[in-house]
Amino acid sequence: AQSVTQLGSHVSVSEGALVLLRCNYSSSVPPYLFWYVQYPNQGLQLLLKYTSAATLVKGINGFEAEFKKSETSFHLTKPSAHMSDAAEYFCAVSDNAGNMLTFGGGTRLMVKP
Amino acid sequence: GAGVSQSPSNKVTEKGKDVELRCDPISGHTALYWYRQSLGQGLEFLIYFQGNSAPDKSGLPSDRFSAERTGGSVSTLTIQRTQQEDSAVYLCASSLFYKGADTIYFGEGSWLTVV
Repeated sequence: AQSVTQLGSHVSVSEGALVLLRCNYSSSVPPYLFWYVQYPNQGLQLLLKYTSAATLVKGINGFEAEFKKSETSFHLTKPSAHMSDAAEYFCAVSDNAGNMLTFGGGTRLMVKP
Repeated sequence: GAGVSQSPSNKVTEKGKDVELRCDPISGHTALYWYRQSLGQGLEFLIYFQGNSAPDKSGLPSDRFSAERTGGSVSTLTIQRTQQEDSAVYLCASSLFYKGADTIYFGEGSWLTVV
């Protein structure tokens, strides 16, 4: 079985500030980890994914995430927030043991001018 | 098409009616998924198709829900005797193959409101 916990359903940052969205996972086999973003009234778009290569993964729009096995974490960061980053972000876990992509509860990011 | 296409984008139906939601996956993708997104429930897996294999129906919430995939391409999700708790966004997705590392591409969803 696998699960994902996103700490903080809402995160608010000022424009230009660091963005940190937290994700912890539980998996009995080596995981694959994903971050998706959902803009209002749109579907989910892949930001980045970890597939057992480099532990620091760079994605689109300046986002990156680091896989830390010892902490079972895959936190998403961006050095400087833009207004256009306001959206809902979902962390998800999958594996090669047949488990379906499982999502966390999502974090809504708000960016203040 | 370039992406996963879903129709209708919005559907309002009366309680007790049946609804059908359609999904056109990305051309050449062998795996197709349905998820449901609702307030308070997050994103729930419903059903998964892989090529010609039997679908994984383990996420369907009740026997009022069913799905089929014709010709390995288009899929239809059917909800019979709709209830108010079925109101949600139904998201279809596809991937090239089913491997855990494959990127899953999502459509924009079908918003279902049961009144």
